[in-house]
Parts: sequence; C-alpha cells; structure tokens
Amino acid sequence: DAMVIQNPRYQVTQFGKPVTLSCSQTLNHNVMYWYQQKSSQAPKLLFHYYDKDFNNEADTPDNFQSRRPNTSFCFLDIRSPGLGDAAMYLCATSSRTGYEQYFGPGTRLTVT
Amino acid sequence: QKEVEQDPGPLSVPEGAIVSLNCTYSNSAFQYFMWYRQYSRKGPELLMYTYSSGNKEDGRFTAQVDKSSKYISLFIRDSQPSDSATYLCAMSTGTTDSWGKLQFGAGTQVVVTP
Repeated sequence: DAMVIQNPRYQVTQFGKPVTLSCSQTLNHNVMYWYQQKSSQAPKLLFHYYDKDFNNEADTPDNFQSRRPNTSFCFLDIRSPGLGDAAMYLCATSSRTGYEQYFGPGTRLTVT
Repeated sequence: QKEVEQDPGPLSVPEGAIVSLNCTYSNSAFQYFMWYRQYSRKGPELLMYTYSSGNKEDGRFTAQVDKSSKYISLFIRDSQPSDSATYLCAMSTGTTDSWGKLQFGAGTQVVVTP
C-alpha cells in the first residue's frame, strides 16, 4: 500500500541536543509538509517542499530546519530542542493540487 | 478570533446514533473543505474532501458546505465504537499565495459508546 512512513514513532531527546526526524513516502507526491501538533491543538504548518523548492512559514522558529534529498524522503532537524518543542511532528504529502494531504503516523517528541 | 472554529467536545453518542459535527469559519475565500479523522496518538486520516458548496456522501459519511453561512458539517450515520476519534475540519482558499496551506480547526473529540 502506498503510504507515508515516519521514523522513529517516539523520540526522547535532551534539552539542547539536536534531533532529526525522518519521513518517507511511496505515494510519489511532489509536495511534502512538516506540521507540529501539540495536545488538543490543530496541526501547525512549519514548512513544505514543492519538489525541491523549500517554503518556510513566517512564524517557524529558526531552530527548525528541513532537508529533502530526493522525492521520497524528507527530514526535520531541530537544532537545539527546548521544552516547548515537545509535540507530535506530522509529515504529510500531496500532489500538485495541495488540497488532499496524506499524513504519516507522526513522531512524538519528548524533551527532557 | 480564529479563522476556523470547532467545538472541542467531547461529543458522546450511543452506538447507532448519528454524529453531527460542524465548523464555522470567517474567511469567505475558503473554497476547499476537508474532514480528517485522527485516532489517539496517530496522524490525521483524510475522510472527505469537498469543493465549494453542496453535499458529498461516502458510505456512512456525509459532508455539507454552506458558504453563505460559512458553515460546514460532517454527519456519521450508524455510528460505531470504531468511529471514536478526534475529527478535524480543514480548509483552503486555493489561491497561489496560500497554496498547500490548510487552516485546521482544533478538532472535536467523539466518543461512541456500545
């Protein structure tokens, strides 16, 4: 089945210790997104890649970076995690239309 | 004021009842409307997708959009305990400057009791 895969599902990191979350997709979609979702809140878009073009949301902290080495993979790097960065991180993909987005299962990040 | 308002619930219904969910929004430019289902500790799953006003039916699910009232609804017929989840509405203007940007509601938690 075509799908969006995220690894790891659970990640624990220490305050200030860099962490990388990964996402892969078999849908062959052009667009990949990273969202942050905190408890009982709506997902918040951090950035997205349209093919190789990177689009950062204006309010995404500089602490968050992303890489997309090829169509299938996308990474979220958090350079110096703070306690406030503890959240579920969701990867999503879409075709060029952008409206129907397909989400992965998420990575739950804990910062100690 | 948030662009998209959604009652957080929880909404508790007995098995077999109709679940009625809704969202209101303020931006009249929204044209694309989605409903996602999110189980606890999982990613959202796209349920329904509607363009502009009207109704759309898919099995036990019916989505309605009333652009004149800036109001969208999702109905789940013959609800099952497996429908217990958080339901998020999402919408987009579809314009170039907001391409790919979905405005989500905060989600309504639904509990279907056997």
